[in-house]
Amino acid sequence: DQQVKQNSPSLSVQEGRISILNCDYTNSMFDYFLWYKKYPAEGPTFLISISSIKDKNEDGRFTVFLNKSAKHLSLHIVPSQPGDSAVYFCAASGGTSYGKLTFGQGTILTVHP
Amino acid sequence: GAVVSQHPSRVICKSGTSVKIECRSLDFQATTMFWYRQFPKKSLMLMATSNEGSKATYEQGVEKDKFLINHASLTLSTLTVTSAHPEDSSFYICSLPGPLGEQYFGPGTRLTVT
Repeated sequence: DQQVKQNSPSLSVQEGRISILNCDYTNSMFDYFLWYKKYPAEGPTFLISISSIKDKNEDGRFTVFLNKSAKHLSLHIVPSQPGDSAVYFCAASGGTSYGKLTFGQGTILTVHP
Repeated sequence: GAVVSQHPSRVICKSGTSVKIECRSLDFQATTMFWYRQFPKKSLMLMATSNEGSKATYEQGVEKDKFLINHASLTLSTLTVTSAHPEDSSFYICSLPGPLGEQYFGPGTRLTVT
């Protein structure tokens, strides 16, 4: 049972444009959502998070949007840079899994110069 | 964020042997650490929660006798894969919880069982 889903395995974007990464979840008890960036053979790096009491959180080039009614969140990166190329995972926690993270499958982002 | 190290970064072992992976918090003490594994091109799956001073809590489907976890101190947790088999080959990653519910991950350990 995949409670956190990233339906796009990959995304290709031109440098300077916006990258939009999407994530859906099914567990209504989740109340905290995070985005991680991961390079091959390395651990994930925390990017940005959002609590369910908010619908938007911004940090520099990264903005996360949360639509609770649709159980959907997205990560916007603008402007995209070639160094942003990596695998992006969304994760969620809350309810009985408080403190534990449930990850999506990841989306490979490629930013072309 | 927290600085987390893992050792070794890569290990190759023969079937039937045991392998120990260390996870260290370098800049603060952690009563809880998490162990994940990631198969190629797959998501990270939580294996267990390591608790300092008490037994680890394992996720459903994870064999506690096969994946031994010891939270020896507030800065060290170890994962021992006992009697390793080729299907145990994976990328093992530990993490520490941050103050806001985020987690900070180590660099991971690539285990290959031949």
